Amino acid sequence: DGGITQSPKYLFRKEGQNVTLSCEQNLNHDAMYWYRQDPGQGLRLIYYSQIVNDFQKGDIAEGYSVSREKKESFPLTVTSAQKNPTAFYLCASSLQGVGEKLFFGSGTQLSVL
Amino acid sequence: KNQVEQSPQSLIILEGKNCTLQCNYTVSPFSNLRWYKQDTGRGPVSLTIMTFSENTKSNGRYTATLDADTKQSSLHITASQLSDSASYICVVSPTGTASKLTFGTGTRLQVTL
Repeated sequence: DGGITQSPKYLFRKEGQNVTLSCEQNLNHDAMYWYRQDPGQGLRLIYYSQIVNDFQKGDIAEGYSVSREKKESFPLTVTSAQKNPTAFYLCASSLQGVGEKLFFGSGTQLSVL
Repeated sequence: KNQVEQSPQSLIILEGKNCTLQCNYTVSPFSNLRWYKQDTGRGPVSLTIMTFSENTKSNGRYTATLDADTKQSSLHITASQLSDSASYICVVSPTGTASKLTFGTGTRLQVTL
C-alpha cells in the first residue's frame, strides 16, 4: 500500500529538548517537503529536498534541521532554537516536473510541555 | 507579495445542499491552481488541478472553475454529504514546481443532518 507515513502522530517537547519527526515514503518520489500548519494560517514550507543528500531551506527554516540520506526518508528535527514549535507538521512528496501534485502524510501534532 | 485568500472562512450546510467556495489570488506569474481537501487531523488530498488555459475541471461531485483574468477560482460541491466535512485549501503555483507554492488559509466546511 503506497503512501507517506509520518510518526509519531502526537509528540510532546520539553523546553530545551530537540525532537525528531519521522517521514517515510514508498512512492519512489524524488522530492520531499516539510510544512508547518498553524490555525488560521496557510501551510508554510520549512525544508525541501529534491534529491538524496541535498536539501534547501524553505520560508521558515530557522530552528529546524533535516537530513536526506535515503530516498525514502526525510526526518525533521525541531531544535531547542525553535521557540514556538507547537503546530501540526506535514510531510509531503512529489514527482519532479511541472504541475506536480503533493502527496501528504497524516501529520504530527507537536506540543510543548 | 504572493497571496491566496479564501472565503468564507467557515460554512455550515445541510446534507444534500450545494455550496461554493471562493479563492482569490495575487500570485504572479501563474502556472496552476489546485484545490485540496483536508480532513481534521489528516494531510491534504488533491481534488483538482487547473492550468491557465482551463476554466472548468470536475472530480465527481466537485467542480472547480478558474478565471485567470480576474485571478479567481471557485470550488462547487454538489449534493453535499457528511463526508464532505473538511477544510478545503486553494493552492497556487507560480512556476509549476512544488517548492514555490502559495497556500490559502482554507475554508472549513461542516455538513450537518
